[in-house]
Amino acid sequence: DAGVTQSPTHLIKTRGQQVTLRCSPKSGHDTVSWYQQALGQGPQFIFQYYEEEERQRGNFPDRFSGHQFPNYSSELNVNALLLGDSALYLCASSLPGYEQYFGPGTRLTVT
Amino acid sequence: AQSVTQLDSQVPVFEEAPVELRCNYSSSVSVYLFWYVQYPNQGLQLLLKYLSGSTLVESINGFEAEFNKSQTSFHLRKPSVHISDTAEYFCAVSEGGSNYKLTFGKGTLLTVNP
Repeated sequence: DAGVTQSPTHLIKTRGQQVTLRCSPKSGHDTVSWYQQALGQGPQFIFQYYEEEERQRGNFPDRFSGHQFPNYSSELNVNALLLGDSALYLCASSLPGYEQYFGPGTRLTVT
Repeated sequence: AQSVTQLDSQVPVFEEAPVELRCNYSSSVSVYLFWYVQYPNQGLQLLLKYLSGSTLVESINGFEAEFNKSQTSFHLRKPSVHISDTAEYFCAVSEGGSNYKLTFGKGTLLTVNP
């Protein structure tokens, strides 16, 4: 049984560009959450998707948007990239009432 | 709003020594508590969780944590550590459900020396 998978593993972008990160949840999981982990910090909650709707959102600007597909996979989009967006982006999946399982993350570097 | 404080950013210990990683949380409602471990260049792995019931929870690799509601703490302990326990440990809290938004502490780097 595959766990949570994320693509790509690493990504380098230039300031002002746009990026899309992808996540496939653990088999059977219907809820996907995204977190940003800056270097030396704990993960910060971006948003959560359930039944293709954004259910919760953290304190991130509108440049951060997402989508969940009918197969429960999800995308995170970031527009107008800033140097401060450089981080490890983690996806987590879960079932209602159960704990979240994390993927290996996508390392985004903005130059 | 919920918050988590991990009182030690780094904890160096010798192999086979006991260790305690401290975590305090702040919340106005009932919470669910978690410890995650992160090895270098990897994602987070769930180590153990408190959802309800017994306040002492254990993991399969010898770690345990005790939920103390009066002190709003969820400290992680292990009686004898191994080199392989070297990693970053994150305490997290969730309100409203175990699969809802997680708020993390800043992490504690546990370094086990021979």
